[in-house]
Amino acid sequence: EPEVTQTPSHQVTQMGQEVILRCVPISNHLYFYWYRQILGQKVEFLVSFYNNEISEKSEIFDDQFSVERPDGSNFTLKIRSTKLEDSAMYFCASRGLAGTYEQFFGPGTRLTVL
Amino acid sequence: AQSVTQLGSHVSVSEGALVLLRCNYSSSVPPYLFWYVQYPNQGLQLLLKYTTGATLVKGINGFEAEFKKSETSFHLTKPSAHMSDAAEYFCAVSDRDDKIIFGKGTRLHILP
Repeated sequence: EPEVTQTPSHQVTQMGQEVILRCVPISNHLYFYWYRQILGQKVEFLVSFYNNEISEKSEIFDDQFSVERPDGSNFTLKIRSTKLEDSAMYFCASRGLAGTYEQFFGPGTRLTVL
Repeated sequence: AQSVTQLGSHVSVSEGALVLLRCNYSSSVPPYLFWYVQYPNQGLQLLLKYTTGATLVKGINGFEAEFKKSETSFHLTKPSAHMSDAAEYFCAVSDRDDKIIFGKGTRLHILP
């Protein structure tokens, strides 16, 4: 069964460093998302992406964040200068055709900022 | 704006007993409603969803949920709990804007 994959599973970085979290969505999906979950808290929407541009972003998704689909398979989330409060589990999700409304989630990347 | 409220951050039930996880939502448009399950150190798995049509929705692992518009609720139930049901459960809502808004989650504990 097709699934969303994410790498790495765990990333440790120093405050102020740039990180890139990678996702491979399901191959025929068109809509892509990033969510995050700070430890012990709820899952929060960050950004949605369609047709090579951002569809919507939350107030969390400030200028330190960017997303890219550099090729036909990968979808990346970049944090330019990490802060301690960026420590969280980051989930990628993808969705197929319009009207399906089911997002398939990856296993997540745990980001730890020291 | 949409929101989801899950009553009870922790729920404990005995193995074989009824599972009831409560969820109330707020939405200005007819919502799409979801329940996701998260096992320890794993991602989010869709249990079931309501979009349109029948208000009683059946999902995987014997779970079901009923959409009650008058009560703005979408409670999750399972007739008989199993030890493998121990996990975190998230109720979520979405509208045509497409992003999913999650509740804070309910951790389900199964007592032997």
